[in-house]
Amino acid sequence: EPEVTQTPSHQVTQMGQEVILRCVPISNHLYFYWYRQILGQKVEFLVSFYNNEISEKSEIFDDQFSVERPDGSNFTLKIRSTKLEDSAMYFCASSEASSGGSGNTIYFGEGSWLTVV
Amino acid sequence: KQEVTQIPAALSVPEGENLVLNCSFTDSAIYNLQWFRQDPGKGLTSLLLIQSSQREQTSGRLNASLDKSSGRSTLYIAASQPGDSATYLCAVKRGGGFKTIFGAGTRLFVKA
Repeated sequence: EPEVTQTPSHQVTQMGQEVILRCVPISNHLYFYWYRQILGQKVEFLVSFYNNEISEKSEIFDDQFSVERPDGSNFTLKIRSTKLEDSAMYFCASSEASSGGSGNTIYFGEGSWLTVV
Repeated sequence: KQEVTQIPAALSVPEGENLVLNCSFTDSAIYNLQWFRQDPGKGLTSLLLIQSSQREQTSGRLNASLDKSSGRSTLYIAASQPGDSATYLCAVKRGGGFKTIFGAGTRLFVKA
């Protein structure tokens, strides 16, 4: 069964460093997302991406964050100048459609656990 | 602002029991509702998606219902098994947007 894959599974970084988290969404999907989950807290929406541009972002997704689809298969989240509070599990997700039937189903990757020290 | 609440926060049942997990949301203008399963330290596995025009969806031993007007959904698990032990998350997507809002989840433990 097709799946969303994420790398790395775990990354430790020094405060102030830049981090890039990578994702390969399911191949025929058109909508891509990043979510995060701070330990013990709810899963939070960060950003959605469609047709090579951001379609929606949350208040969390400030200038420190950026997303890119550098080629036909990868989707990346860049965090500039990481802070301690950026420590979280970051999930990439994708869906076939944004509207209409089961194509709305969002499929998540296994996550990238980021620890900022 | 949409808020999603899940009750109970944790549940422990003996194997074989039927159980119901509850999800409520404050804004009924949703596009769909999705139930997920999350194992510790792992990603989210989609269980069921209910469109706003639907009342329920079934997959195997799982049945999810949606009452949009009252802002409620339930996930029914029949004949629970130890392998069902996980955290179950409810998430709603509002109409006209891309954002999905999650509840805090119900942590389920099924005892053998």
